[in-house]
Amino acid sequence: GQQLNQSPQSMFIQEGEDVSMNCTSSSIFNTWLWYKQEPGEGPVLLIALYKAGELTSNGRLTAQFGITRKDSFLNISASIPSDVGIYFCAGQLGGTASKLTFGTGTRLQVTL
Amino acid sequence: DAGVIQSPRHEVTEMGQEVTLRCKPISGHNSLFWYRQTMMRGLELLIYFNNNVPIDDSGMPEDRFSAKMPNASFSTLKIQPSEPRDSAVYFCASSLSSNSYEQYFGPGTRLTVT
Repeated sequence: GQQLNQSPQSMFIQEGEDVSMNCTSSSIFNTWLWYKQEPGEGPVLLIALYKAGELTSNGRLTAQFGITRKDSFLNISASIPSDVGIYFCAGQLGGTASKLTFGTGTRLQVTL
Repeated sequence: DAGVIQSPRHEVTEMGQEVTLRCKPISGHNSLFWYRQTMMRGLELLIYFNNNVPIDDSGMPEDRFSAKMPNASFSTLKIQPSEPRDSAVYFCASSLSSNSYEQYFGPGTRLTVT
């Protein structure tokens, strides 16, 4: 089935550094969402994007809906230890109603 | 406000046994989704309901899997008979309506079939 490719697969960064990750697809998506999953928990919705070119922030997180509608980016500024987790992008294809397609995830590790 | 509630959180069972996973969506949400997460395949959508009606079950792996939503506040995912390859974390998620793409996930049920 349709896959969203996320990169990088994993990141090891130091506390205080900025983080950037992205999600790409060969298909056009109408909606992009970013989730964070911590060990033993379900994914938690961070940001939702609805328009091409849209830039949305949630605290230290900023996400953008790519102009081509085939990609999205998530940036985390001044990382802290609690940012550790797996970040997933998810997209909604036109005509697929409520269904979301999830990316492969970016695992983030933050060292002190 | 209570989020999506799933039970049990952990289930260990022997091959061949029936397993039933339970989900209570967020109150007022009309869409409910069942996902399976494994290292190899990531998050896969199994089935989803709108207003208690199954809309798309194309992700259900085989006839051993079945899901029901008898009312707006309860859904079950049943595996009968279970097999070791069914071992995974099963998530339930809900959204406000079929036009809302913001899905909210429960904590998941970790299933181990020995």
